[in-house]
Amino acid sequence: KAGVTQTPRYLIKTRGQQVTLSCSPISGHRSVSWYQQTPGQGLQFLFEYFSETQRNKGNFPGRFSGRQFSNSRSEMNVSTLELGDSALYLCASSPRQGGTEAFFGQGTRLTVV
Amino acid sequence: DAKTTQPPSMDCAEGRAANLPCNHSTISGNEYVYWYRQIHSQGPQYIIHGLKNNETNEMASLIITEDRKSSTLILPHATLRDTAVYYCIVTSQGGSEKLVFGKGTKLTVNP
Repeated sequence: KAGVTQTPRYLIKTRGQQVTLSCSPISGHRSVSWYQQTPGQGLQFLFEYFSETQRNKGNFPGRFSGRQFSNSRSEMNVSTLELGDSALYLCASSPRQGGTEAFFGQGTRLTVV
Repeated sequence: DAKTTQPPSMDCAEGRAANLPCNHSTISGNEYVYWYRQIHSQGPQYIIHGLKNNETNEMASLIITEDRKSSTLILPHATLRDTAVYYCIVTSQGGSEKLVFGKGTKLTVNP
């Protein structure tokens, strides 16, 4: 079956703009988690959604938000972009809440200029 | 902060077993040990997980010490495609757990 699909794969935005990233989980998976990966901080957990509800949240400012739809697809939004938001954003889906046995997508590479 | 300690890098010859250690001395009774790997420019890939018994699947074996304070991931016959960063993660299940990635071990498989 199809894996986790993230769109777009690459994105360039200007400081102050906002961006929306999309993630389609594996069919039947109800948990979607988002991670940010940078060379300096490594892989950091952003938040997890399960059955359209945010179940867990990492230590990121309120500019980072997300949502999950009834078909389990998820979006994350970053408002008022800063240069430091440049990163690889990874989405992971899991059949169970908690998302510990997760299947990751290829990620969206966001560059803020 | 990650609850695990891993060597920053290791080398292994192609065809030999790769044994990747992980220390998790503060692990509690309901916490599992998970292993993921990340090949360059790809998303992390789940490998295996366990609670206290040794586990084996088609990718690897996981050996957990009796006191559960450390574990070893074994790739029995490493190939060049196994070159990746390997992450050992300790987390619970069934609640508000999440995957906390540390810096991992960069495994280089040499021909």
